[in-house]
Amino acid sequence: DAGITQSPRHKVTETGTPVTLRCHQTENHRYMYWYRQDPGHGLRLIHYSYGVKDTDKGEVSDGYSVSRSKTEDFLLTLESATSSQTSVYFCAISLRASTDTQYFGPGTRLTVL
Amino acid sequence: RKEVEQDPGPFNVPEGATVAFNCTYSNSASQSFFWYRQDCRKEPKLLMSVYSSGNEDGRFTAQLNRASQYISLLIRDSKLSDSATYLCVVTEGSSGSARQLTFGSGTQLTVLP
Repeated sequence: DAGITQSPRHKVTETGTPVTLRCHQTENHRYMYWYRQDPGHGLRLIHYSYGVKDTDKGEVSDGYSVSRSKTEDFLLTLESATSSQTSVYFCAISLRASTDTQYFGPGTRLTVL
Repeated sequence: RKEVEQDPGPFNVPEGATVAFNCTYSNSASQSFFWYRQDCRKEPKLLMSVYSSGNEDGRFTAQLNRASQYISLLIRDSKLSDSATYLCVVTEGSSGSARQLTFGSGTQLTVLP
Protein backbone atom coordinates (compact mmCIF):
# COMPACT_ATOMS: atom_id res chain seq x y z
CA ASP A 1 0.00 0.00 0.00
CA ALA A 2 1.14 3.54 -0.79
CA GLY A 3 2.32 5.48 2.24
CA ILE A 4 -0.46 8.00 2.60
CA THR A 5 -1.98 9.01 5.89
CA GLN A 6 -4.74 11.47 6.66
CA SER A 7 -5.49 13.19 9.92
CA PRO A 8 -7.82 13.38 11.63
CA ARG A 9 -9.74 10.31 10.46
CA HIS A 10 -12.98 11.58 11.97
CA LYS A 11 -14.03 15.04 13.02
CA VAL A 12 -17.23 16.65 14.21
CA THR A 13 -17.28 20.41 14.25
CA GLU A 14 -19.73 23.29 14.35
CA THR A 15 -20.78 25.66 11.61
CA GLY A 16 -18.49 28.64 11.32
CA THR A 17 -15.39 27.05 12.81
CA PRO A 18 -12.16 26.64 10.86
CA VAL A 19 -11.03 23.11 10.07
CA THR A 20 -7.73 21.84 8.69
CA LEU A 21 -7.24 18.36 7.29
CA ARG A 22 -3.77 16.97 6.75
CA CYS A 23 -2.47 14.58 4.12
CA HIS A 24 1.00 13.13 4.54
CA GLN A 25 2.84 10.93 2.03
CA THR A 26 6.12 9.06 2.22
CA GLU A 27 6.30 8.22 -1.51
CA ASN A 28 7.86 11.49 -2.73
CA HIS A 29 5.14 11.78 -5.40
CA ARG A 30 4.89 15.15 -7.09
CA TYR A 31 1.12 15.40 -7.44
CA MET A 32 -1.31 15.53 -4.53
CA TYR A 33 -5.08 15.96 -4.57
CA TRP A 34 -8.01 16.58 -2.31
CA TYR A 35 -11.38 15.08 -3.20
CA ARG A 36 -14.72 14.97 -1.50
CA GLN A 37 -17.11 12.06 -1.88
CA ASP A 38 -20.85 12.43 -1.42
CA PRO A 39 -23.65 9.98 -2.23
CA GLY A 40 -24.71 10.22 -5.86
CA HIS A 41 -21.83 12.50 -6.84
CA GLY A 42 -18.78 10.33 -6.98
CA LEU A 43 -15.41 11.80 -6.17
CA ARG A 44 -15.10 15.50 -6.93
CA LEU A 45 -11.81 17.33 -7.06
CA ILE A 46 -11.44 20.24 -4.62
CA HIS A 47 -7.84 21.34 -5.16
CA TYR A 48 -4.65 19.75 -6.31
CA SER A 49 -0.93 20.41 -6.18
CA TYR A 50 1.71 19.78 -8.82
CA GLY A 51 4.65 20.70 -6.64
CA VAL A 52 5.71 22.54 -3.52
CA LYS A 53 3.80 25.81 -3.37
CA ASP A 54 2.11 25.01 -6.71
CA THR A 55 -1.61 24.48 -6.38
CA ASP A 56 -4.70 24.87 -8.52
CA LYS A 57 -8.45 24.73 -8.11
CA GLY A 58 -10.63 21.80 -8.91
CA GLU A 59 -14.31 21.43 -9.64
CA VAL A 60 -15.62 22.30 -6.15
CA SER A 61 -13.04 24.67 -4.66
CA ASP A 62 -15.35 27.32 -3.18
CA GLY A 63 -15.00 27.48 0.61
CA TYR A 64 -11.71 25.59 0.62
CA SER A 65 -8.05 26.57 0.55
CA VAL A 66 -4.91 24.46 0.41
CA SER A 67 -1.23 24.76 1.14
CA ARG A 68 1.79 22.67 0.29
CA SER A 69 5.01 23.84 1.92
CA LYS A 70 6.72 20.44 1.74
CA THR A 71 6.57 17.62 -0.79
CA GLU A 72 5.11 15.26 1.77
CA ASP A 73 2.32 17.41 3.22
CA PHE A 74 -0.81 18.83 1.64
CA LEU A 75 -3.24 20.69 3.89
CA LEU A 76 -6.91 21.38 3.19
CA THR A 77 -8.54 24.20 5.15
CA LEU A 78 -12.19 25.03 5.53
CA GLU A 79 -12.02 28.65 6.64
CA SER A 80 -15.55 28.66 8.04
CA ALA A 81 -17.18 25.26 7.91
CA THR A 82 -20.75 24.91 6.67
CA SER A 83 -23.13 21.96 6.87
CA SER A 84 -22.80 21.47 3.10
CA GLN A 85 -19.17 20.57 3.69
CA THR A 86 -20.14 17.48 5.65
CA SER A 87 -18.53 14.77 3.57
CA VAL A 88 -15.80 12.18 3.31
CA TYR A 89 -12.54 13.76 2.20
CA PHE A 90 -9.90 11.75 0.38
CA CYS A 91 -6.36 12.73 -0.33
CA ALA A 92 -4.61 11.14 -3.32
CA ILE A 93 -1.15 11.18 -4.85
CA SER A 94 0.30 10.37 -8.24
CA LEU A 95 3.85 10.22 -9.47
CA ARG A 96 4.21 12.09 -12.76
CA ALA A 97 0.84 13.47 -13.81
CA SER A 98 -2.79 13.38 -12.90
CA THR A 99 -3.34 10.79 -15.60
CA ASP A 100 -1.08 8.41 -13.69
CA THR A 101 -2.56 5.95 -11.27
CA GLN A 102 -3.79 7.79 -8.21
CA TYR A 103 -3.26 6.28 -4.78
CA PHE A 104 -5.73 7.31 -2.13
CA GLY A 105 -5.43 7.86 1.57
CA PRO A 106 -7.88 6.26 4.02
CA GLY A 107 -10.19 9.28 4.11
CA THR A 108 -11.46 11.72 6.72
CA ARG A 109 -15.09 11.72 7.75
CA LEU A 110 -16.10 15.31 8.54
CA THR A 111 -19.43 16.25 10.06
CA VAL A 112 -20.38 19.92 10.36
CA LEU A 113 -23.29 20.50 12.73
CA ARG B 1 -25.96 15.51 -18.08
CA LYS B 2 -23.13 13.96 -16.09
CA GLU B 3 -19.81 13.66 -17.86
CA VAL B 4 -19.35 10.08 -16.71
CA GLU B 5 -22.42 7.95 -16.04
CA GLN B 6 -22.71 4.59 -14.41
CA ASP B 7 -25.68 2.45 -13.44
CA PRO B 8 -25.58 2.71 -9.63
CA GLY B 9 -27.01 -0.77 -9.17
CA PRO B 10 -27.06 -2.54 -6.86
CA PHE B 11 -26.14 -5.65 -8.79
CA ASN B 12 -26.79 -8.72 -6.66
CA VAL B 13 -25.34 -11.86 -8.22
CA PRO B 14 -24.65 -15.40 -6.96
CA GLU B 15 -21.13 -16.69 -6.54
CA GLY B 16 -19.71 -17.94 -9.79
CA ALA B 17 -21.84 -15.67 -11.95
CA THR B 18 -20.55 -13.41 -14.70
CA VAL B 19 -21.46 -9.75 -14.35
CA ALA B 20 -20.81 -6.76 -16.57
CA PHE B 21 -20.88 -3.04 -15.88
CA ASN B 22 -20.95 -0.24 -18.41
CA CYS B 23 -19.86 3.34 -18.10
CA THR B 24 -20.58 6.07 -20.63
CA TYR B 25 -18.68 9.31 -21.05
CA SER B 26 -19.72 12.49 -22.81
CA ASN B 27 -16.43 13.98 -24.00
CA SER B 28 -15.23 12.40 -27.22
CA ALA B 29 -11.76 13.85 -26.57
CA SER B 30 -11.33 11.61 -23.51
CA GLN B 31 -8.03 9.80 -23.62
CA SER B 32 -7.42 7.62 -20.57
CA PHE B 33 -9.78 5.28 -18.81
CA PHE B 34 -9.63 3.35 -15.57
CA TRP B 35 -11.68 1.17 -13.28
CA TYR B 36 -11.22 1.65 -9.55
CA ARG B 37 -12.66 -0.51 -6.80
CA GLN B 38 -13.93 0.89 -3.51
CA ASP B 39 -14.85 -1.29 -0.55
CA CYS B 40 -17.42 -0.03 1.94
CA ARG B 41 -16.04 2.89 3.95
CA LYS B 42 -12.59 2.48 2.39
CA GLU B 43 -10.54 4.38 -0.13
CA PRO B 44 -10.70 3.72 -3.89
CA LYS B 45 -7.98 1.51 -5.35
CA LEU B 46 -7.00 1.05 -8.97
CA LEU B 47 -8.43 -2.16 -10.39
CA MET B 48 -7.21 -1.80 -13.94
CA SER B 49 -6.51 0.63 -16.74
CA VAL B 50 -8.56 0.31 -19.91
CA TYR B 51 -6.75 0.18 -23.23
CA SER B 52 -8.14 0.63 -26.73
CA SER B 53 -7.43 -2.99 -27.57
CA GLY B 54 -9.12 -4.22 -24.41
CA ASN B 55 -7.28 -5.90 -21.60
CA GLU B 56 -7.67 -8.78 -19.22
CA ASP B 57 -6.40 -9.39 -15.71
CA GLY B 58 -7.40 -12.79 -14.42
CA ARG B 59 -11.18 -12.86 -14.06
CA PHE B 60 -11.51 -9.20 -15.03
CA THR B 61 -11.81 -7.90 -18.59
CA ALA B 62 -12.05 -4.25 -19.56
CA GLN B 63 -13.17 -3.01 -22.95
CA LEU B 64 -13.26 0.43 -24.55
CA ASN B 65 -15.64 1.45 -27.32
CA ARG B 66 -14.63 4.90 -28.52
CA ALA B 67 -17.28 5.11 -31.21
CA SER B 68 -20.08 4.65 -28.68
CA GLN B 69 -18.16 6.33 -25.86
CA TYR B 70 -18.43 3.64 -23.26
CA ILE B 71 -16.17 1.37 -21.30
CA SER B 72 -17.11 -1.91 -19.75
CA LEU B 73 -15.90 -4.20 -17.00
CA LEU B 74 -16.64 -7.92 -17.06
CA ILE B 75 -16.13 -10.06 -13.99
CA ARG B 76 -16.19 -13.81 -14.49
CA ASP B 77 -16.64 -16.46 -11.80
CA SER B 78 -17.64 -13.87 -9.19
CA LYS B 79 -16.26 -14.30 -5.68
CA LEU B 80 -17.70 -13.01 -2.42
CA SER B 81 -14.62 -10.81 -2.17
CA ASP B 82 -15.61 -9.01 -5.38
CA SER B 83 -18.41 -7.28 -3.48
CA ALA B 84 -17.57 -3.58 -3.70
CA THR B 85 -18.38 -0.41 -5.60
CA TYR B 86 -16.70 -0.08 -8.99
CA LEU B 87 -15.79 3.42 -10.13
CA CYS B 88 -15.29 4.42 -13.74
CA VAL B 89 -12.66 7.14 -14.27
CA VAL B 90 -12.09 9.13 -17.44
CA THR B 91 -9.41 11.68 -18.24
CA GLU B 92 -10.02 14.21 -20.93
CA GLY B 93 -6.66 15.32 -22.16
CA SER B 94 -3.02 14.51 -22.52
CA SER B 95 -1.74 17.65 -20.79
CA GLY B 96 -2.09 16.06 -17.41
CA SER B 97 -4.37 18.63 -15.85
CA ALA B 98 -6.03 17.18 -12.80
CA ARG B 99 -9.18 19.08 -13.64
CA GLN B 100 -9.64 16.72 -16.55
CA LEU B 101 -10.16 13.68 -14.35
CA THR B 102 -13.77 12.68 -13.87
CA PHE B 103 -15.05 9.91 -11.60
CA GLY B 104 -18.36 8.17 -12.08
CA SER B 105 -20.62 7.73 -9.07
CA GLY B 106 -19.94 4.01 -8.97
CA THR B 107 -21.76 0.73 -9.47
CA GLN B 108 -22.42 -1.36 -6.39
CA LEU B 109 -21.90 -5.10 -6.65
CA THR B 110 -22.90 -7.67 -4.03
CA VAL B 111 -21.92 -11.28 -4.62
CA LEU B 112 -24.20 -13.64 -2.70
CA PRO B 113 -23.22 -17.04 -1.32
